[in-house]
Amino acid sequence: QKEVEQDPGPLSVPEGAIVSLNCTYSNSAFQYFMWYRQYSRKGPELLMYTYSSGNKEDGRFTAQVDKSSKYISLFIRDSQPSDSATYLCAMSEDTDKLIFGTGTRLQVFP
Amino acid sequence: DGGITQSPKYLFRKEGQNVTLSCEQNLNHDAMYWYRQDPGQGLRLIYYSQIVNDFQKGDIAEGYSVSREKKESFPLTVTSAQKNPTAFYLCASSRFGTGGFNEQFFGPGTRLTVL
Repeated sequence: QKEVEQDPGPLSVPEGAIVSLNCTYSNSAFQYFMWYRQYSRKGPELLMYTYSSGNKEDGRFTAQVDKSSKYISLFIRDSQPSDSATYLCAMSEDTDKLIFGTGTRLQVFP
Repeated sequence: DGGITQSPKYLFRKEGQNVTLSCEQNLNHDAMYWYRQDPGQGLRLIYYSQIVNDFQKGDIAEGYSVSREKKESFPLTVTSAQKNPTAFYLCASSRFGTGGFNEQFFGPGTRLTVL
């Protein structure tokens, strides 16, 4: 079993939809939970991070962490074609060694 | 502009040859990282360095070597011992040891193809 599991998709939604992206993990020592966005043939960029459990909101993006279930989510409201990318979850015990999910490819069509 | 540069963007190598990928950062970060990305496997850590003249193996270090002679530079050599070197290679850097969250910033990547 991988430490971090993520559905690779692809996920195709119409513009304006609410998107839900998820990861599960097995290591209860993870404390930092991150979501990266990666456009095709580019390096990933950090969207949001959460320390321990709870929710965090930034504009149209909301990150949730449920440590009891070992489950994290990223919600995108009012999705736009420019949100089309691969979304990678990442986790770590101390932010120095990140464990990544496989990434979910999202396509938002007009 | 502060950031991370990787060169070249595309690299072709014949089997049996060693090749070195460049990574430079001007963010004054102490820590630097090399990841490999394959389709369906996400990013996997090859090597990382938290300070000049010191580095540690990641999860898939076999067939790779690194050096960290300068704070700004962390080159990766893909040796002929690496059995499946064709991949997208990503370099990252971050602050280290702040006691809080240290964001890893990624370069644009180098796509290596073995012919």
